[in-house]
Amino acid sequence: AQSVTQLGSHVSVSEGALVLLRCNYSSSVPPYLFWYVQYPNQGLQLLLKYTTGATLVKGINGFEAEFKKSETSFHLTKPSAHMSDAAEYFCAVRIPNSGGSNYKLTFGKGTLLTVNP
Amino acid sequence: KAGVTQTPRYLIKTRGQQVTLSCSPISGHRSVSWYQQTPGQGLQFLFEYFSETQRNKGNFPGRFSGRQFSNSRSEMNVSTLELGDSALYLCASSLDFQETQYFGPGTRLLVL
Repeated sequence: AQSVTQLGSHVSVSEGALVLLRCNYSSSVPPYLFWYVQYPNQGLQLLLKYTTGATLVKGINGFEAEFKKSETSFHLTKPSAHMSDAAEYFCAVRIPNSGGSNYKLTFGKGTLLTVNP
Repeated sequence: KAGVTQTPRYLIKTRGQQVTLSCSPISGHRSVSWYQQTPGQGLQFLFEYFSETQRNKGNFPGRFSGRQFSNSRSEMNVSTLELGDSALYLCASSLDFQETQYFGPGTRLLVL
């Protein structure tokens, strides 16, 4: 079964600083990987996804993530944090071309990002 | 296109009651999945429907059930509510089960 580990339940950065949110996954086959963001009292919004092809994927709001198979990682970065980036971020994995229980998205526990002025 | 909509957005129930939550997927999407989000357990998969059939189910008791209608709208039902059922219930839709899931705003259920 697949699993996701997000290192750091809470990350705090200053406005303008680099944002780095860490995600490591466990999967028996190359997975599809996703980052979602959740603002207070809202649902999940897709930031970016990796399925196949280029390992560096760009998403909305200036975020990007790089799939590193050798490190089983999919860390999320943004060069310069903005106050509006404050939210909770979830990394998720899904096994492609699968059915049964592997169909589902398996989420990490989430990382709360705080941006200080 | 309109996004995934969920109704109601907030709900307060008492133990032992039952509740029905509704989800309307993005137009053209045929797969609907449900997730439960709690502070303790995080995001957990409940079940997934495609063409009115439940294809996958998570590890939840039988009190949790759902269905999908011919227009792809879905409902989930929780019977005999327990305090631990208090959570944000999220619905996600996708074109098919292989495609990216897009989430609705959720229904926040409080069980007293």
